[in-house]
Amino acid sequence: AQRVTQPEKLLSVFKGAPVELKCNYSYSGSPELFWYVQYSRQRLQLLLRHISRESIKGFTADLNKGETSFHLKKPFAQEEDSAMYYCALIRTPYGNKLVFGAGTILRVKS
Amino acid sequence: ETGVTQSPTHLIKTRGQQVTLRCSSQSGHNTVSWYQQALGQGPQFIFQYYREEENGRGNFPPRFSGLQFPNYSSELNVNALELDDSALYLCASRRGLDQTSYNEQFFGPGTRLTVL
Repeated sequence: AQRVTQPEKLLSVFKGAPVELKCNYSYSGSPELFWYVQYSRQRLQLLLRHISRESIKGFTADLNKGETSFHLKKPFAQEEDSAMYYCALIRTPYGNKLVFGAGTILRVKS
Repeated sequence: ETGVTQSPTHLIKTRGQQVTLRCSSQSGHNTVSWYQQALGQGPQFIFQYYREEENGRGNFPPRFSGLQFPNYSSELNVNALELDDSALYLCASRRGLDQTSYNEQFFGPGTRLTVL
């Protein structure tokens, strides 16, 4: 069975500080990994996906298959980054469900 | 293009009752997935519908059932409600069955169900 672990329930940083939200997964095959974000009073939305190797709003995430990790990073946190962040995976091929972690609240203090 | 909508926004029921939650998929999307999000947890997959048929189910008992209509809107029905069914229920839609990165699924705002 697939599992996603986000070890921190809350991460509090000062504006301008680096951010790293941790995500570890367990799956014997080749999963596809995602980060979803939920800002206050907004719906859950996709932030980025590992296969695209993109940077969104300054965030990047690298899939480390050896450590089974997909940590989300940003060099300089901004107050508008405060939100709930979920790491999720889907098995490939033919996966039909996203498996989510419990989420990490990121609080950026001024 | 309208996004995913869900109704009602909030609902209060008592143990043993039955409930129906509704979801309208985004325009052009024929696949709908339902998730349960308990307080402090990430969303958990309940099931998925594609072209009016169930196409995948998570670890939920049969009292959780669903429907998809020809216009691709969907319902989630829960019978014999239990206290632990209290949660936010999310609906997500996408085009086709491909769950890969290039076929993003879009979430609705959710229905908050409270079981007393």
